Amino acid sequence: GESVGLHLPTLSVQEGDNSIINCAYSNSASDYFIWYKQESGKGPQFIIDIRSNMDKRQGQRVTVLLNKTVKHLSLQIAATQPGDSAVYFCAENRRDDKIIFGKGTRLHILP
Amino acid sequence: EADIYQTPRYLVIGTGKKITLECSQTMGHDKMYWYQQDPGMELHLIHYSYGVNSTEKGDLSSESTVSRIRTEHFPLTLESARPSHTSQYLCASSGGGTGGRKLFFGSGTQLSVL
Repeated sequence: GESVGLHLPTLSVQEGDNSIINCAYSNSASDYFIWYKQESGKGPQFIIDIRSNMDKRQGQRVTVLLNKTVKHLSLQIAATQPGDSAVYFCAENRRDDKIIFGKGTRLHILP
Repeated sequence: EADIYQTPRYLVIGTGKKITLECSQTMGHDKMYWYQQDPGMELHLIHYSYGVNSTEKGDLSSESTVSRIRTEHFPLTLESARPSHTSQYLCASSGGGTGGRKLFFGSGTQLSVL
């Protein structure tokens, strides 16, 4: 079936640098794309979402970019901090209101 | 902070036992979800509910069943647990309208079937 997936399973970034986490999707019918952060031992936490008719959306230290031509989604984290260490999932909000998650990327922060 | 609670946090049980995983939320959310997650893997949707007396299967086939008799309560039941059911089960809820994309998750139940 259609799904959302990620390019890389692990990303290591120097503290203070910017992080870019990528996601490819196959379902063009979704209304929204969403990023979640999951810390060890916890449930995922909503970070930011973007409507399918937008290209970019900014939040606090985070930016989500959507390229519908190549079906690609990315999450940019500015000035990465130790507290950003987690697994990041992209997800899609389908028109039947199901929220489907892709494979996660683990973000490691190097001191 | 989300007001959604799952119990138990950890459960170790023998094959063939009947189990119920509890999930409750105090936010008055209509939508509730159950996801199954293996270590280091994505979350798979196994059940969801749009409101009281509404339950539907998710994308991942599951032998578990759910019920939604009250808005705040969405328990998941396995009639006969097997080792293949060993996994983490995460419950979530969301509000209506534009808030529907923002899921609030519980801390999960780690189930081990021996």
